[in-house]
Amino acid sequence: EAGVAQSPRYKIIEKRQSVAFWCNPISGHATLYWYQQILGQGPKLLIQFQNNGVVDDSQLPKDRFSAERLKGVDSTLKIQPAKLEDSAVYLCASTEGPSLGEAFFGQGTRLTVV
Amino acid sequence: AQTVTQSQPEMSVQEAETVTLSCTYDTSENNYYLFWYKQPPSRQMILVIRQEAYKQQNATENRFSVNFQKAAKSFSLKISDSQLGDTAMYFCAFMKLSGYALNFGKGTSLLVTP
Repeated sequence: EAGVAQSPRYKIIEKRQSVAFWCNPISGHATLYWYQQILGQGPKLLIQFQNNGVVDDSQLPKDRFSAERLKGVDSTLKIQPAKLEDSAVYLCASTEGPSLGEAFFGQGTRLTVV
Repeated sequence: AQTVTQSQPEMSVQEAETVTLSCTYDTSENNYYLFWYKQPPSRQMILVIRQEAYKQQNATENRFSVNFQKAAKSFSLKISDSQLGDTAMYFCAFMKLSGYALNFGKGTSLLVTP
């Protein structure tokens, strides 16, 4: 069974530039999550999708972050414009459904904003 | 809101010894899930063990076991016969039953030495 795929693995950008991350969840998984993990901290939820609908985006900085999950499969997370404090690992995870089974994580994208 | 506290930023244990990682949480929910995740340097989160709050029996997975004290809101992880491959960050996480995302602690860095 293929795992959660994320790309790119690493990205370095200058502040005020834009960046996008891609995630392809495990086939058939209806729920998809994006987490932000700042160095030395635990992951923090940015947004949760159920199929192609948003369940929770209360912690997403909507002035600069956006995410979509067209067709309820893969998802993109965008930051525009980036700030220095956005430097973090961005993790994508998926589950079969809300509160169903184990959450499977991708390897994450490490973003450095300089 | 639920909070998860891991009071041990770093721990060290010798190979073949036993170590216990602590976790406390705060919630007004009666039914929920608790998890321990492992994050090696590769960054991919791996589920170690899961506990349903309505189950009184503590979960066990091979060398990993938990001590779940619901009244005290405590959820510690015991690793027996520690192996070098257990070296990683360990995150305690909470999830409501009704379709919410994982809420993580700040993590404990575990080093297993020869």
